[in-house]
Amino acid sequence: DAGVIQSPRHEVTEMGQEVTLRCKPISGHNSLFWYRQTMMRGLELLIYFNNNVPIDDSGMPEDRFSAKMPNASFSTLKIQPSEPRDSAVYFCASSTGTGLNEKLFFGSGTQLSVL
Amino acid sequence: AQSVAQPEDQVNVAEGNPLTVKCTYSVSGNPYLFWYVQYPNRGLQFLLKYITGDNLVKGSYGFEAEFNKSQTSFHLKKPSALVSDSALYFCAVRDAPVDSNYQLIWGAGTKLIIKP
Repeated sequence: DAGVIQSPRHEVTEMGQEVTLRCKPISGHNSLFWYRQTMMRGLELLIYFNNNVPIDDSGMPEDRFSAKMPNASFSTLKIQPSEPRDSAVYFCASSTGTGLNEKLFFGSGTQLSVL
Repeated sequence: AQSVAQPEDQVNVAEGNPLTVKCTYSVSGNPYLFWYVQYPNRGLQFLLKYITGDNLVKGSYGFEAEFNKSQTSFHLKKPSALVSDSALYFCAVRDAPVDSNYQLIWGAGTKLIIKP
């Protein structure tokens, strides 16, 4: 298995532009998580899906952020419009079951820079 | 409220020496505890977890961790450090499952540097 696949690896954009990050979880995993990592705030959970349904989106910073999981093998995180403070590394992770006590498998992340 | 603390930003160890990366936690019920490692420009990788049972948990790459309920600690240990163990280590905790509790609480991370 190729693991959790994220694209793009790096994204540089200008303030105000729309950014879409993509994630392909491990086949058979039914929980998916989007995290954001910054030096200042560490790892933050943005949203959690189980069986393609958003269960907890309380970590989504504001309405500029949205996430979808149209099927079990694909998820997107969209930022529109993007702002410089959104610059961070965004990770997608998946797990079996509910993800409550199972280990998480992380992708390599998307390094986002908003100028 | 749940919380986790990694009191050391950085730990320096000579190769071949034992290493310890500290983690303390606070939960209202029984904890689920995890350690993950992050190598540069990579995602986090699972090392080990404690859910229930034996207090000494063995994980990947020769690491182990001891759950100490009285001290609310879950320190990561390895008997003999390798230069390749140099990385960022994260401790995470979740309270025993409650219907509305999905969040893992992550520590700030500890940078482990192993010197040859």
